[in-house]
Amino acid sequence: GENVEQHPSTLSVQEGDSAVIKCTYSDSASNYFPWYKQELGKRPQLIIDIRSNVGEKKDQRIAVTLNKTAKHFSLHITETQPEDSAVYFCAALLSNSGYALNFGKGTSLLVTP
Amino acid sequence: SAVISQKPSRDICQRGTSLTIQCQVDSQVTMMFWYRQQPGQSLTLIATANQGSEATYESGFVIDKFPISRPNLTFSTLTVSNMSPEDSSIYLCSVSSGTGDGDGYTFGSGTRLTVV
Repeated sequence: GENVEQHPSTLSVQEGDSAVIKCTYSDSASNYFPWYKQELGKRPQLIIDIRSNVGEKKDQRIAVTLNKTAKHFSLHITETQPEDSAVYFCAALLSNSGYALNFGKGTSLLVTP
Repeated sequence: SAVISQKPSRDICQRGTSLTIQCQVDSQVTMMFWYRQQPGQSLTLIATANQGSEATYESGFVIDKFPISRPNLTFSTLTVSNMSPEDSSIYLCSVSSGTGDGDGYTFGSGTRLTVV
């Protein structure tokens, strides 16, 4: 099955700086890579995703890059704000497989004013 | 994306008892997934529930402990049986409501279970 590694486990940045979280996956057949943000006491919320037919996707201050050859993908948050503080999870999936998402262990991001 | 109503949102239960968690989806979905999230941890898949067939359990989870029902395409329940303090956790259901190409995985609001 798919194995997703995520790092760092904790990340502290100053407001306005950029944050980068990296994930690697093991199954070369995986073709869908979402990122979730989970605030304390809340459900995980999808913030961005990427499919294997593209190398980068951007949505305002958030971007995701994918390197299929190296089997890794990264989340980039620019101009961080205190409200970006949360736990971020990456996941990987073979779409249409009927499989559930395989999650990384999470990154606790703290943005200090 | 699909909207999931999950209940109860939290409960405190005595050891040895059972709790049934319900998830209702506002659209028909083929696959429903049940996860456990222990404090400060990631999401661990318990089982995948298809309508009309038995749930498929992940390693470390068994049907006797976590029986699942999936009577139709919009509803599922997870029961945590014969509870012990180690079962204290957050339980979440999830569905994929996209076009079938992998998008639209959404989560219920979670059930925070405390076993005393």
